[in-house]
Amino acid sequence: GEQVEQLPSSLIVQEGASVLINCSYTDSASVYFPWYKQEPGKRLQFIIDIRSNMERKQTQRLTLLFDKKTKHLSLHITATQPGDSAIYFCSARGTGGYKVVFGSGTRLLVSP
Amino acid sequence: GPKVLQIPSHQIIDMGQMVTLNCDPVSNHLYFYWYKQILGQQMEFLVNFYNGKVMEKSKLFKDQFSVERPDGSYFTLKIQPTALEDSAVYFCASSLFGDSDYTFGSGTRLLVI
Repeated sequence: GEQVEQLPSSLIVQEGASVLINCSYTDSASVYFPWYKQEPGKRLQFIIDIRSNMERKQTQRLTLLFDKKTKHLSLHITATQPGDSAIYFCSARGTGGYKVVFGSGTRLLVSP
Repeated sequence: GPKVLQIPSHQIIDMGQMVTLNCDPVSNHLYFYWYKQILGQQMEFLVNFYNGKVMEKSKLFKDQFSVERPDGSYFTLKIQPTALEDSAVYFCASSLFGDSDYTFGSGTRLLVI
């Protein structure tokens, strides 16, 4: 079945820096890729998504790039703030059903 | 925004006993999900549920597991009997459509002793 890998597993940056989180998946039939953020002690929260017929999506300080050929996504966060500190999860959904497979997460710490 | 509520937040139970985890999904959502996360590991899909039926389930969804949502009330995950390896955080989620993003609950931390 589908497997989703994320790198790096953790990141520490200073406020104002940009970060890049990479994600790869194995099932070429996957069509939908939502990302979630989990702040310490809080629930997972949807932040951005992309479908397989798109290459790029941007919302505020988030840019999500998708490469169907290499089965790779990358989430770019600009002008990071301490409030961005959280675990970021990449996920993928195939065409055969509605379940979403999650990566293991990238722990981001933004220091003031 | 709309939230998914999970009750209880924590549960400690003796091995072999039955446990029911409750989830109150977003009111207009139609699809419901359970995920399991063992400490330090990936969040793994258990089951999804639509129109009163299980649509998909993983190999983690053992015969001892069952889900239901009687008459639009709580979406429940029942484990009977529980085993030590069932100790984990169980996350409930709901979505409006099958291909839309999820709204997650805060999780129920289950400890089987």
